[in-house]
Amino acid sequence: KAGVTQTPRYLIKTRGQQVTLSCSPISGHRSVSWYQQTPGQGLQFLFEYFSETQRNKGNFPGRFSGRQFSNSRSEMNVSTLELGDSALYLCASSPTSGNTDTQYFGPGTRLTVL
Amino acid sequence: DQQVKQNSPSLSVQEGRISILNCDYTNSMFDYFLWYKKYPAEGPTFLISISSIKDKNEDGRFTVFLNKSAKHLSLHIVPSQPGDSAVYFCAASEIGRGNEKLTFGTGTRLTIIP
Repeated sequence: KAGVTQTPRYLIKTRGQQVTLSCSPISGHRSVSWYQQTPGQGLQFLFEYFSETQRNKGNFPGRFSGRQFSNSRSEMNVSTLELGDSALYLCASSPTSGNTDTQYFGPGTRLTVL
Repeated sequence: DQQVKQNSPSLSVQEGRISILNCDYTNSMFDYFLWYKKYPAEGPTFLISISSIKDKNEDGRFTVFLNKSAKHLSLHIVPSQPGDSAVYFCAASEIGRGNEKLTFGTGTRLTIIP
């Protein structure tokens, strides 16, 4: 069974630009969650999508948004990039919503904002 | 304010010895705790969890201990093996709250010395 895939793996952008990251969950998984990992803050929950609906949202500004498609693939968008958005963005898929034990993480997208 | 703290950014242990990774939390509402392991260029993988009704949970070489009064948990790996070299994250949540209340620590890099 293929794991969670994220594209692209690496991305360099400049301040003010916007970026879209993609996540393909494990086949059959309907929940996709997004996390931001930075050295000082660890992993922070961004949001979760389940059956194309945002179920939960972390404490991030509105510049961070996402969506989920009917095939459960998810995209995360960050608009008006800031230097502090440089981070590793991880997505995790799960068969059901809100079940932390059965989350499987992808390898992440390393975003660098210059 | 870091509600889940891993005060040791790194730890080195001889192969065959015990590795002890520590985690402290401040939020008394946390009642479910998880440990994740992360290799470079891969996403975190779930390792072991414990709920607040228990003070110990064991899975093979991995044991997690919870001291609720001290708001402290630890992960013991016995015996340590070279493949255990990775970054370990502890995380905490409130049961039933799902991902939006999953709070991670900043991680401890464990190096097993052959």
